[in-house]
Amino acid sequence: DGGITQSPKYLFRKEGQNVTLSCEQNLNHDAMYWYRQDPGQGLRLIYYSQIVNDFQKGDIAEGYSVSREKKESFPLTVTSAQKNPTAFYLCASKSPGTVNTEAFFGQGTRLTVV
Amino acid sequence: AQKITQTQPGMFVQEKEAVTLDCTYDTSDPSYGLFWYKQPSSGEMIFLIYQGSYDQQNATEGRYSLNFQKARKSANLVISASQLGDSAMYFCAMRDNSNYQLIWGAGTKLIIKP
Repeated sequence: DGGITQSPKYLFRKEGQNVTLSCEQNLNHDAMYWYRQDPGQGLRLIYYSQIVNDFQKGDIAEGYSVSREKKESFPLTVTSAQKNPTAFYLCASKSPGTVNTEAFFGQGTRLTVV
Repeated sequence: AQKITQTQPGMFVQEKEAVTLDCTYDTSDPSYGLFWYKQPSSGEMIFLIYQGSYDQQNATEGRYSLNFQKARKSANLVISASQLGDSAMYFCAMRDNSNYQLIWGAGTKLIIKP
C-alpha cells in the first residue's frame, strides 16, 4: 500500500542532543513537507522540498535541518539550537499540481526533551 | 496576507445530529483551494474534502459537505448524522497561487456525545 511512514512514533531527547526524524514515502510525490504542531494549535511549516536536492525554509526553520537526497526520503534533524523542541512533528507529501491537490500525511513523531 | 480563522475551539454535539464547523479565510489571490482535515487522537491528518475557488457547486464527500460562501470568504464544514467516531480535531487549510503552501487554522475539537 502506498503511503508515508514516519519513525519513530515516540522519541526522547536529552538537552544538547541532535535527533533525526525519519520520513519515507512510496507515493512517488515530488513535494515533501515537515510541520510542527504544538498542543491546541494548528500546523506550522518547518521546511519543504519541491524536488530532490532542493529544499526551502518554512516559517519556523531555526534549529532544524533537512536533506533530500532521494525522492522517497526527507529526514528532519532537530538540532541542539532548537530551544523548545518538544512537539508533535508531521511529515507530508503531495503530487505535482497547483492549488487543488491534497497533501498526504504520516502518523507523526512525538518528540519529548527530557 | 493569507489567513485562516477557526473561531470554535471546541464543540459538543449529540450523536446523529448535524454539526457545522466554521472556517473563514483571507487571501487576495483569485485562485485558491480550501481543505478540511480530521485529526483523531492518534495524530495522523486525514483529508476530508476540498473546495476550489472557481468551483460552482459546494463540495460533498459522503457525510461531509462544504458550505462555500465566496463573498463572505467562508468555507464551513458540515457533517451530517454525526457518529461517535467523528470525535476529533478538525482543521481548515488553504492554499493559493502565491506559494502553494498550506496555511492552517488553529482547529476545532469536536466531541460527539452518545
